[in-house]
Amino acid sequence: NAGVTQTPKFQVLKTGQSMTLQCAQDMNHEYMSWYRQDPGMGLRLIHYSVGAGITDQGEVPNGYNVSRSTTEDFPLRLLSAAPSQTSVYFCASSYNREWDTEAFFGQGTRLTVV
Amino acid sequence: DQQVKQNSPSLSVQEGRISILNCDYTNSMFDYFLWYKKYPAEGPTFLISISSIKDKNEDGRFTVFLNKSAKHLSLHIVPSQPGDSAVYFCAARPFYNQGGKLIFGQGTELSVKP
Repeated sequence: NAGVTQTPKFQVLKTGQSMTLQCAQDMNHEYMSWYRQDPGMGLRLIHYSVGAGITDQGEVPNGYNVSRSTTEDFPLRLLSAAPSQTSVYFCASSYNREWDTEAFFGQGTRLTVV
Repeated sequence: DQQVKQNSPSLSVQEGRISILNCDYTNSMFDYFLWYKKYPAEGPTFLISISSIKDKNEDGRFTVFLNKSAKHLSLHIVPSQPGDSAVYFCAARPFYNQGGKLIFGQGTELSVKP
């Protein structure tokens, strides 16, 4: 049981480049989300999705795009990378219900923008 | 505007003693609270949760207390073990969002010394 899988684990980008962070889950969770972790800031929600075809913005959505074409996949796109996007990115998934909605996290992608 | 705050960036405890990690929140719309544990280079893993209709939840060595009037929750670890050394995040969910849309605190790094 793979859980939540993120690729790549590490990435270095030049300012202005674009890339997609991949996230896949095999638990048939309706809910998926992307967070970034920065020192002293905790985990901040970027975008989330409550099901295929439905996405919404979180706390820090600027500079990021998402789409959800299948239940399993939730890619995060950086259209024009900036040094401020240097961070560790985590994808998470959970059931969409009232209780027992603890999120399961992937291993993270460490992104450096130079 | 930090809705979930962990004011202690670090905590050091002797093995066998109690560890108490604190978390404050400002939004009265939160109805579900969770604690996550994170080791370096890994994703956060779920530890324990509590709903707003309870004031205590126990799971083995871990107990979470919720004081709604003070908008405060705490995680007690008894007895503390060296393997508990990690960063602990508290998280809260707004009641109008079922599923995993979580707001995280900044984290507290716990060090348990043998």
